Amino acid sequence: QVQLQESGPGLVKPSQTLSLTCTVSGDSISSGGKYWSWIRQRPGQGLEWIGYVYYTGSSFYNPSLESRVTISLGTSNNQFSLKLTSVTAADTAVYYCARGTGTVFGVVGWFDPWGQGTLVTVSS
Amino acid sequence: QSALTQPASLSGSPGQSIAISCTGTGSDVAGYQLVSWYQQHPGKAPKLVIYEVTERPSGVSDRFSGSKSGNTASLTISGLQAEDEGDYYCCSYAGSNTWVFGGGTKLTVL
Repeated sequence: QVQLQESGPGLVKPSQTLSLTCTVSGDSISSGGKYWSWIRQRPGQGLEWIGYVYYTGSSFYNPSLESRVTISLGTSNNQFSLKLTSVTAADTAVYYCARGTGTVFGVVGWFDPWGQGTLVTVSS
Repeated sequence: QSALTQPASLSGSPGQSIAISCTGTGSDVAGYQLVSWYQQHPGKAPKLVIYEVTERPSGVSDRFSGSKSGNTASLTISGLQAEDEGDYYCCSYAGSNTWVFGGGTKLTVL
């Protein structure tokens, strides 16, 4: 059974960098065909795709966040990470990590499973 | 890249069927067979219920079905049950390795 678990600070000051880690069990982030993703949900709002990293290290991002976001593979322990710079109150959200599954079209078809999510509040 | 359009809320009685629409553009929903649907209960993570427009993951009730026509995808839930109450989100590939979600639909079982 594949499980993902987010971890990181729950409070970040404005203008600083948000850093989260996702630990994966039951699957290897080094295997092909899977796209390790971050998705967020602002309070009371819908879901927003942030980006993903492939096992090769290649990453793709939401154009609206691209200038501030980096998603990378961890150096150990089957983890991948999210860094979002210059945060503001608008970045307050529950952040989910999820596994994207590749399709015959060569891109992610769906996201499953998801971690339980972690709330990050941006406030001084 | 704009969010896909979903009705904000829908309701139905137990046993009824309801359909949740998800409208996009030729650059996302209409352009690819890569629409997925997620169910979210309060305080929980989203759960995949439909992928690739019509496919149902193992373990998901066959009361859930998906379809697409042009720019609009739909999730149909037949034989509504109390446990189906929650938020539902559609998601589509939008080209150039990007994905877009819908704004979500709050389903109430009366």
